[in-house]
Amino acid sequence: QSVLTQPPSVSGAPGQRVSISCTGSSSNIGAGYDVHWYQQVPGTAPKLLIYGNTNRPSGVPDRFSGSKSGTSASLAITGLQAEDEADYYCQSYDSTGRRVFGGGTKLTVL
Amino acid sequence: EVQLVESGGGLVQPGGSLRLSCAASGFSVSSNYMSWVRQAPGKGLEWVSVIYSGGNTYYADSVKGRFTISRHSSKNTLYLQMNSLRAEDTAVYYCAGEGDSYMHVWGKGTTVTVSS
Repeated sequence: QSVLTQPPSVSGAPGQRVSISCTGSSSNIGAGYDVHWYQQVPGTAPKLLIYGNTNRPSGVPDRFSGSKSGTSASLAITGLQAEDEADYYCQSYDSTGRRVFGGGTKLTVL
Repeated sequence: EVQLVESGGGLVQPGGSLRLSCAASGFSVSSNYMSWVRQAPGKGLEWVSVIYSGGNTYYADSVKGRFTISRHSSKNTLYLQMNSLRAEDTAVYYCAGEGDSYMHVWGKGTTVTVSS
């Protein structure tokens, strides 16, 4: 049971928009801690996609965007491409110094 | 080029010990927060431990008292000493360099299998 809750799977056709939710609690996201997002192609290491709720590292396309409100956050992907098919994880922090992850969401591009 | 390379994984019996290493290049393990994250087969990411640049350490409840994170500054290497290993510790273990609690540099991982 992950501390942050994500939907197990989402899907969309090429060119469409999808979003992935990440729900936490008052001890992590709701306490004001930032949410970060990672993309993981199976068999490879995770890659940072969004940090500090809304920021993209250099090299990440602007098709990827993040938002946060209250105890939840969302990752949106517009103009869906076949190469976006991967697992996506949200991550935050809690007041004990621990990092917490969501359970992951598998994105399927139809 | 920034690079993290994990090593030390392998097959170990329940109750046994292993020490993982994470050698860094182009990135200081002493000046940055460094985490270990694991992924059990077919499962999601699980944060294991972090060491701050000031030396403070934190652990997930699942490994507290059994695992110890440390670093060697002159070797620019991060370690994870794992004792009293259990079947549920079987996973790919990644080391990661942190920014402001986000992990922006990742190694490729090393596999730990706990089985008799």
